[in-house]
Amino acid sequence: SYELSQPLLVSVALGQTATITCGGNSIGSRNVCWYQQKPGQAPVVVIYRDTNRPSGIPERFSGSNSGNTATLTISRAQAGDEADYYCQVWDSSTVVFGGGTKLTVL
Amino acid sequence: QVQLQESGPGLVRPSETLSLTCTVSGASVSSGAYYWSWIRQPPGKGLEWIGYIYYSGSTTYNPSLKSRVTLSIDTSKNQFSLKLSSATAADTAVYYCARRLANDYYFDYWGQGTLVTVSS
Repeated sequence: SYELSQPLLVSVALGQTATITCGGNSIGSRNVCWYQQKPGQAPVVVIYRDTNRPSGIPERFSGSNSGNTATLTISRAQAGDEADYYCQVWDSSTVVFGGGTKLTVL
Repeated sequence: QVQLQESGPGLVRPSETLSLTCTVSGASVSSGAYYWSWIRQPPGKGLEWIGYIYYSGSTTYNPSLKSRVTLSIDTSKNQFSLKLSSATAADTAVYYCARRLANDYYFDYWGQGTLVTVSS
């Protein structure tokens, strides 16, 4: 079965750029989406189809995907960006989530 | 706007069947434009996809849960449901229902989630 790997924890200084990675075998050939989940809330998609932002998601959120790594980039990090982030792909009609990354804004 | 709402018992005894229903408003479960999914999250852990169902009743399940999971859809009530048999403590989790567009690869609407505890 297909597996995705994410770092458990990423820290970023307020106003700086955070980078969260999602590793998988040839993930660049798949559509990747990213979810933000704050405590006690349901996940919210922030990036879909590698690079697309849903309406209402700030331009500070961007995504890329190539080779064996997909990346979520959060520019000018704010305190409100502190959350868990999950990557997700489809594999043979099934859904695969990464293990999640906790983003801490210092 | 689209809303999904999970409902069902918050406590299930070990070995019994966990049953949840998702009521959808603002969209039709009988539309071929969507797939309807269940996803769960054990306390303090990550997301685990359980399965999805199409308006036709066609289903796809997580292979790790396939032997215990049944999804169904009730177009007359605009609902879809989850049954997970032989529940154990490992099934204790927040259960979410979610919608995916048929021609895309992400879940665009989620329910608020409901905590189900498996305990005697």
